[in-house]
Amino acid sequence: GQQLNQSPQSMFIQEGEDVSMNCTSSSIFNTWLWYKQEPGEGPVLLIALYKAGELTSNGRLTAQFGITRKDSFLNISASIPSDVGIYFCAGLKAGNQFYFGTGTSLTVIP
Amino acid sequence: DVKVTQSSRYLVKRTGEKVFLECVQDMDHENMFWYRQDPGLGLRLIYFSYDVKMKEKGDIPEGYSVSREKKERFSLILESASTNQTSMYLCASIPSTGSVYEQYFGPGTRLTVT
Repeated sequence: GQQLNQSPQSMFIQEGEDVSMNCTSSSIFNTWLWYKQEPGEGPVLLIALYKAGELTSNGRLTAQFGITRKDSFLNISASIPSDVGIYFCAGLKAGNQFYFGTGTSLTVIP
Repeated sequence: DVKVTQSSRYLVKRTGEKVFLECVQDMDHENMFWYRQDPGLGLRLIYFSYDVKMKEKGDIPEGYSVSREKKERFSLILESASTNQTSMYLCASIPSTGSVYEQYFGPGTRLTVT
């Protein structure tokens, strides 16, 4: 099966710092998605991107759909302790099949 | 409020046992999915179903089967559990129309096979 390469694998940052993570693939996707998973819970959708070059924000989160359609980026500004969790990217092709990244574990130190 | 529920949060089973993981959604979604989640590997698709009694293999179907007798319920079956099936199992659903990209996930079942 196809897997998306997500980096970094983990991050330890001070509260107030900005965070950047990215996801790359050898394949083209029609839609890119970013999820957050908190401990003991299932992933929750944060942002969805539908076309190349699109830049979308959701509060302190900003995500971009790469122009080549093979990558995507997520930025979190002014991190707070409740940002802790695992962030996953996902790519969607035709047919409702999702491909997930390996996850970025974020720890925010107060 | 949308809801996907899974029958157990934690489960411990012995090698060789038959294991049933149940998932129920109350959103009238046509599509349902079973994933397993392992550290460093992300989410991998086991099976999905796009309608009652319909099923499709995902990336890692070996050792698993599924059942979808009712629209709201999608069951994952481990016919003979093995230790390499120790994992977190996540169920998800999406509609066939409208927001087809927005998967709703259950809280997960952490299965340990000893």
